[in-house]
Formats: sequence, C-alpha cells, structure tokens
Amino acid sequence: SQTIHQWPATLVQPVGSPLSLECTVEGTSNPNLYWYRQAAGRGLQLLFYSVGIGQISSEVPQNLSASRPQDRQFILSSKKLLLSDSGFYLCACTLAGNTDTQYFGPGTRLTVL
Amino acid sequence: DQQVKQNSPSLSVQEGRISILNCDYTNSMFDYFLWYKKYPAEGPTFLISISSIKDKNEDGRFTVFLNKSAKHLSLHIVPSQPGDSAVYFCAASAVRGAQKLVFGQGTRLTINP
Repeated sequence: SQTIHQWPATLVQPVGSPLSLECTVEGTSNPNLYWYRQAAGRGLQLLFYSVGIGQISSEVPQNLSASRPQDRQFILSSKKLLLSDSGFYLCACTLAGNTDTQYFGPGTRLTVL
Repeated sequence: DQQVKQNSPSLSVQEGRISILNCDYTNSMFDYFLWYKKYPAEGPTFLISISSIKDKNEDGRFTVFLNKSAKHLSLHIVPSQPGDSAVYFCAASAVRGAQKLVFGQGTRLTINP
C-alpha cells in the first residue's frame, strides 16, 4: 500500500524567507499528486496538482509554486513567504488506475512570523 | 464561492447515539463525494464515498446518504464511539473519481461518554 512522507513536520519561518516543503510517495508508481493548505479554522484548499513529472496545474493564484522533479516527489516552494502563507500543508495522492480515493500525508505545520 | 458547505462547525453527541453530519453543495457537476476524518496535526483519513448514481452507501457503522435534488449529503455514524471525536470533512469531485477534490470547512464532532 502507498505511504506519503512529508517533511518537515513543523516549520517556523520569518516573513520574506524562502520555503521548500517536500513530499515523497512510496508503494505506488505514476500517482496523481496534490498540495492542499488548511488555514486556521478553514477547510482544505487545493493549491496544485500534478498528473506526471514536470506537469503542474495551479488552482489558486498566489506566491507559491510547485514542482515534480521525479515520479514520486512533489515539492512546494516560495521565494518570499507572507504572513498569510501560515497554515497546515498537506500532500495527497490518487493511485494510477484507481482514483476512488485520495490518500493524505501527515502534513507540515508552517508558521510565518 | 464556497461550493461545498458544512454549516455546522461543531456537533456534540452522546456515546452510543447516532451522529449525523451534513454537507451541502452548489455545483451540479459534482458526481463523486467523500467523507474524511481528521485528527489534529494529522492528515485526513478516508472514511466512505458515494457516487452520484447511488443514494446510499454503507460501511460498518458509517452510512452516507446522497440527495441529488437537494444537493445534500449526510454521514451517519451509529453507534457513536469516543474514538469518533475528530473533525469531519466532506469533499466533492467533478473530475472522474477522487481527483481535484473540493472540501467543506469541516465539522468538529465530540462524542461525550
């Protein structure tokens, strides 16, 4: 079965600093990959999704970007963090050939000060 | 524009009784719906799903009902147990299965002994 790893688990960054969050998936090949953000007291908002290496679709305009350098690696980045980037970031995947369910990683808690 | 709404931010139920969580949606293109359970500082875990061709799906203590004409779905948990205390999210997709999910804001369920 698939396992999603995210790191770091928690991160505190100053405003204006860069960001790199990493997500890796084990146990499956050619998954669709997703980045979500949950702001305080809010639901999960889809930020990016990817159907393959180098293929990224953005759902919400913002100062974040995503990359997929390898089949099972998904990276969320920012050149300059804003206070509003604080939140809980979740990586998720759907399996190739079976899109009945999205599976989520443990998440990264980002606090921008 | 909130396409998926969970109007009750919280719900308190006595152990052993039925818990009913509600979700409304506005996009008539949604054809697949899921419920997730989330504990603090963890990723959501999949509970149950339903396709728009059905009006009910049952899995153990969990049953999801879909009313397409009312654009409403509900999750019933019977009997409720203390371990069910968590935040529950409903999600919807218009893209073949669980791809590009749109989530509600979540309902915090507390089961009282």
